[in-house]
Amino acid sequence: NAGVTQTPKFRVLKTGQSMTLLCAQDMNHEYMYWYRQDPGMGLRLIHYSVGEGTTAKGEVPDGYNVSRLKKQNFLLGLESAAPSQTSVYFCASSDPTETQYFGPGTRLLVL
Amino acid sequence: GDSVTQMEGPVTLSEEAFLTINCTYTATGYPSLFWYVQYPGEGLQLLLKATKADDKGSNKGFEATYRKETTSFHLEKGSVQVSDSAVYFCALSNTGFQKLVFGTGTRLLVSP
Repeated sequence: NAGVTQTPKFRVLKTGQSMTLLCAQDMNHEYMYWYRQDPGMGLRLIHYSVGEGTTAKGEVPDGYNVSRLKKQNFLLGLESAAPSQTSVYFCASSDPTETQYFGPGTRLLVL
Repeated sequence: GDSVTQMEGPVTLSEEAFLTINCTYTATGYPSLFWYVQYPGEGLQLLLKATKADDKGSNKGFEATYRKETTSFHLEKGSVQVSDSAVYFCALSNTGFQKLVFGTGTRLLVSP
């Protein structure tokens, strides 16, 4: 039981490049989330999903897209990366008791 | 909207000292309250939670009581260890879909 996994662990992009971050969970959770963590700002919700085939905007969705084609996977896309998207990205899934389980994070640097 | 305010860190303590990290919240209705911990280089993990007023969450020697009258959920531990050094996040869940609103985090440094 791996829990929540994220790939890649670290990535460097140039401004304007695109990339996809992959999140996978093996706990059969319906709800999944993408957060970004920036110094002094805690975690902020980017997008979330309440089930396969559904997605919704969170607090800071601009510049990001997501897809949930399979229940166990939640993808976060950056179509045209900007330096302001330099951050650590965390994926999470939650069980019916409201407990969220977090992946180890992806550190993204946009030059 | 809903928000969580935590004391700024870092909090620096010696081993076996008493720990308090303050957390207050603003929310309508009756949110659930959480403390998450993040060890260096890792993701967050749930430390404890409380779902209604006067509930006390506890885990690994940490405790927090849901105080609706003061809108607070302060984290306490009677005797900290070096291994408790981490960043602690207070959070609430109030809207649907179990979305969490986080505080900015408080770094705890415990020295031997």
